[in-house]
Amino acid sequence: SQQGEEDPQALSIQEGENATMNCSYKTSINNLQWYRQNSGRGLVHLILIRSNEREKHSGRLRVTLDTSKKSSSLLITASRAADTASYFCATDADSSYKLIFGSGTRLLVRP
Amino acid sequence: SQTIHQWPATLVQPVGSPLSLECTVEGTSNPNLYWYRQAAGRGLQLLFYSVGIGQISSEVPQNLSASRPQDRQFILSSKKLLLSDSGFYLCAWAGSSGNTIYFGEGSWLTVV
Repeated sequence: SQQGEEDPQALSIQEGENATMNCSYKTSINNLQWYRQNSGRGLVHLILIRSNEREKHSGRLRVTLDTSKKSSSLLITASRAADTASYFCATDADSSYKLIFGSGTRLLVRP
Repeated sequence: SQTIHQWPATLVQPVGSPLSLECTVEGTSNPNLYWYRQAAGRGLQLLFYSVGIGQISSEVPQNLSASRPQDRQFILSSKKLLLSDSGFYLCAWAGSSGNTIYFGEGSWLTVV
């Protein structure tokens, strides 16, 4: 079953602008993760935020988590053309053994 | 360091033929292992996961099966492929405590 749903489905921005992607989920979680996928490749882990955390930073990435709204956002600041990829959120709602992924946001950063 | 290998990278198979995709993990022991499928331009669907040798949990009833004959080996199989089995298959592993999942490079399967 689909747990995380990303919004928007697609996003096109100019290099240097910030990109914001949102994720909503349905049930309680222990943590939420964001992954990146370049076209035709495997996914790469970006950042994990625990349910008792509200904000986390990693380089140009900023993730927020609002458990009351069951939502998270990923902000990429000062975007670069190399940030062009699909971004997925994933949650461990059912079990700590597995992650359920959303449908992803396709980000295009125009040079 | 840990690495994950998945093969073959691409595969074109006729309808009704068998399938075997293999995945191995190096540099860790007793990992949780996963098979995901991704339809073109879509999200990931969890197919199978395993927390130990011979322990397979199926998430979606379908034409596929999985086996874990060794601690760090995970195999995805089918006896007779369907057109709907086409897609991008991703093997992944996580430490036994769960959390972060690390993916292989994927296998493109086209059933014709």
